[in-house]
Amino acid sequence: KNQVEQSPQSLIILEGKNCTLQCNYTVSPFSNLRWYKQDTGRGPVSLTIMTFSENTKSNGRYTATLDADTKQSSLHITASQLSDSASYICVVSGGSNYQLIWGAGTKLIIKP
Amino acid sequence: EPEVTQTPSHQVTQMGQEVILRCVPISNHLYFYWYRQILGQKVEFLVSFYNNEISEKSEIFDDQFSVERPDGSNFTLKIRSTKLEDSAMYFCASSGQGGHQETQYFGPGTRLLVL
Repeated sequence: KNQVEQSPQSLIILEGKNCTLQCNYTVSPFSNLRWYKQDTGRGPVSLTIMTFSENTKSNGRYTATLDADTKQSSLHITASQLSDSASYICVVSGGSNYQLIWGAGTKLIIKP
Repeated sequence: EPEVTQTPSHQVTQMGQEVILRCVPISNHLYFYWYRQILGQKVEFLVSFYNNEISEKSEIFDDQFSVERPDGSNFTLKIRSTKLEDSAMYFCASSGQGGHQETQYFGPGTRLLVL
C-alpha cells in the first residue's frame, strides 16, 4: 500500500536552533517528493520538490534530502525563527496514477 | 505574485443542503485540484481536472460531489446534499503544464461547517 510516514509527530525547539524532520515512504512507482509548510488554518505552501535523481535541494534555511534507495527524506531547518512554527508535510507523487500521497505532518513549534 | 483564491472563506450550512465552493486558479495553469482536510487530519485528495474533464478522483469523490469550470477563470466544487462528515477545510490547487511533475499552488481554503 502506498504510504507516507513522518516523524516526529510534533517537535518543540528554541528559536535559533536547528532541527530535522523525517519522512519515510512506500510509494511505487515514485515520481517526486515534496515538502510543504502549512500554517494553522491556511493552505499548504511548497518548500521543495525533488525527483529521483536529486539528493538535496535547498530553499533558504530549508534543506531537503532524498535517498531513493532507502525511500527516506529529511527536511532540515537552520537557525529557526518564530515564523517557522507550522506543520511540515511530506508528500510523495507516484503510484499508478501519480496522485499525491500525503503524510500526516510534523507540527513544529518554535519557542522564544 | 499570482495566487489561487477561494471563496467563501467560511461557509455554514444545514445538513442536506447544497453548497458550491469557488476557486480562481492561477491564470496560466492547466491542472486544477480539490482537496479536503478534516480538522486535525491529513490532507486528502478529492479530484483533479484537466482539459475540461476529471482526470482522477478519489473514493471520497462520490456522486454527491461534482466539479465544473463554468468559464475561463472559475473552478467550482459542488456538494449536492451535505452530510455532517463533510465538515472540513476544502483547498483548491492548480499547477502548470507539467501536471503531476509540477508544484501545486494552494488557495487559502474554505472552511465548511455542516450542522
